[in-house]
Amino acid sequence: GAVVSQHPSWVICKSGTSVKIECRSLDFQATTMFWYRQFPKQSLMLMATSNEGSKATYEQGVEKDKFLINHASLTLSTLTVTSAHPEDSSFYICSASSPGANVLTFGAGSRLTVL
Amino acid sequence: DAKTTQPNSMESNEEEPVHLPCNHSTISGTDYIHWYRQLPSQGPEYVIHGLTSNVNNRMASLAIAEDRKSSTLILHRATLRDAAVYYCILRDDTGGFKTIFGAGTRLFVKA
Repeated sequence: GAVVSQHPSWVICKSGTSVKIECRSLDFQATTMFWYRQFPKQSLMLMATSNEGSKATYEQGVEKDKFLINHASLTLSTLTVTSAHPEDSSFYICSASSPGANVLTFGAGSRLTVL
Repeated sequence: DAKTTQPNSMESNEEEPVHLPCNHSTISGTDYIHWYRQLPSQGPEYVIHGLTSNVNNRMASLAIAEDRKSSTLILHRATLRDAAVYYCILRDDTGGFKTIFGAGTRLFVKA
């Protein structure tokens, strides 16, 4: 079945630094990928829709200059948290839909801790 | 997006069936009913989806009310590995796959 891989699975960084999270569709091409964040004991919140070859579409309230999304190929989308602060600490999850299937496959998530 | 309502939590005994309800009274004619679940510290995984008819797969069954205003996810024999948060989601699959999650139901399974 369709597999979505995220890297890194966890990362710890200092406040003020930038962190990049990768999301790859391993056995299919994905023109669209979705990025979510999840705080402890809360549901997933959609941050943005990543579109291959064009700009991402951000949900209301999500700062596009803070969370940079690049979808340069049909199998890779990256989320960069710029100038990270402790309040950005969260579980970031990406997802994609394989062609012909109308269900989403999710990555295992990336846990970011900002000190 | 049409809203869904689920109980915050439910409890089940191992080896017994579990019926997880979902209300979606404002569902539109083109909305599919999707169920995903999320195990602790993992990304969500697809469980099942349907439009009007009941659906069965190796993981679960989905029973959809005739008026489509509610549905029930059925786990036929709960195991400890089924302890997770279950999300009932409505999505118009004709317009892309943008998926909005509600609060879900946390299922506890007792040995």
